Amino acid sequence: QSTLTQPASVSGSPGQSITISCTGTSSDVGSYNLVSWYQQYPGKAPKLMIYEVSKRPSGVSDRFSGSKSGNTASLTLSGLQAEDEADYYCCSYAGSGTFVFGIGTKVTVL
Amino acid sequence: QVQLVQSGAEVKKPGASLKVSCKASGYTFTNYYMHWVRQAPGQGLEWMGIINPSGGSTSYAQKFQGRVTLTRDTSTSTVYMELSSLRSEDTAVYYCARGGTVTTSPPGGFWGQGTLVTVSS
Repeated sequence: QSTLTQPASVSGSPGQSITISCTGTSSDVGSYNLVSWYQQYPGKAPKLMIYEVSKRPSGVSDRFSGSKSGNTASLTLSGLQAEDEADYYCCSYAGSGTFVFGIGTKVTVL
Repeated sequence: QVQLVQSGAEVKKPGASLKVSCKASGYTFTNYYMHWVRQAPGQGLEWMGIINPSGGSTSYAQKFQGRVTLTRDTSTSTVYMELSSLRSEDTAVYYCARGGTVTTSPPGGFWGQGTLVTVSS
């Protein structure tokens, strides 16, 4: 179980769209449509934003969307807003009841 | 409403063991898996393990195999995370997070407040 690879940082201007990638292997991201994404503000618990690659929990803005191709999943933030500035983590099921997180991406709104 | 309330901050010496509790309320305890996730200072999230409160079955991250034990007490709707042979690298905030009704459900919409554990001599 290795940590999923994410870019350390991504930035964009208000109103723009940004995409965060999450690269795993054929043992995790590539094998299951079970990728989730979390938003975390400093000192706070993470918040689930996307599950099962592209599903949004109730109450999560439709500006957040997810997708997957092969061993790489992606989270797209559309219409970037100041409140989107946070850390984002992907997470994938890795088989045998285990999960693995990505290293995290800091999103900066310019 | 769903609540996960964790035990308070702890300071431990290297080599000691740690036991953190997570008391659940507002839902049927045995219907939902519970995850444990930790976050070292300034670092990312790290998945540690999962327990099925119904039967007590567990799965652990390979990194923690042999050192972490998850248990539950259905009479008090509480899940426990025990970590042994503590070292300084175990200094982190430890979270419990409710999963879903199947083992493949990730940490979901409900998280505990976190428990800060400091390992220092």
